[in-house]
Amino acid sequence: AQRVTQPEKLLSVFKGAPVELKCNYSYSGSPELFWYVQYSRQRLQLLLRHISRESIKGFTADLNKGETSFHLKKPFAQEEDSAMYYCALRTGGGNKLTFGTGTQLKVEL
Amino acid sequence: ETGVTQSPTHLIKTRGQQVTLRCSSQSGHNTVSWYQQALGQGPQFIFQYYREEENGRGNFPPRFSGLQFPNYSSELNVNALELDDSALYLCASSLQGQGYGYTFGSGTRLTVV
Repeated sequence: AQRVTQPEKLLSVFKGAPVELKCNYSYSGSPELFWYVQYSRQRLQLLLRHISRESIKGFTADLNKGETSFHLKKPFAQEEDSAMYYCALRTGGGNKLTFGTGTQLKVEL
Repeated sequence: ETGVTQSPTHLIKTRGQQVTLRCSSQSGHNTVSWYQQALGQGPQFIFQYYREEENGRGNFPPRFSGLQFPNYSSELNVNALELDDSALYLCASSLQGQGYGYTFGSGTRLTVV
């Protein structure tokens, strides 16, 4: 069965410091990985997906199949990055997403 | 373009009762998925509806059921409520085959006492 692991419940960094939110997955097939973000009092929204290989709001994530990881990175954290981040795995071509438990990112001044 | 709307926003029910949650999908979307998010956990897939039929189900018992209507809106029904059903229930709409294009609603907070 597929599984997504986000080992950190809370990550606290200072403004301007690099950020890395960890995500590991377990799936024997070809995965599709996503990062979703939930800002305070807002609904869950897509941040980025590995297929598009894009940078959104300065965030990037590279799929490493050897390490089964999809860590989210940003070189310089900003205060507005404070939010809950969820890594998600889509399998089998369907619409089902398997989410991790989330990491709360707190950017301090 | 309208987003996903869910009703009600909050609900308190007694153990053993039945509940119906409603979702209006985003304009242009034909697939609706429901997720349960317990406190401190990520969303868990309940099921998905496409063309008014269940099109995928997670590890939830049959007392969780749903409907999709011709206008693509949807209902989630839960019978014989248990205390562990207390959670945030999220609805997400998308276009079939484009699962990444999920638009989530704000959710319904269900408390079972």
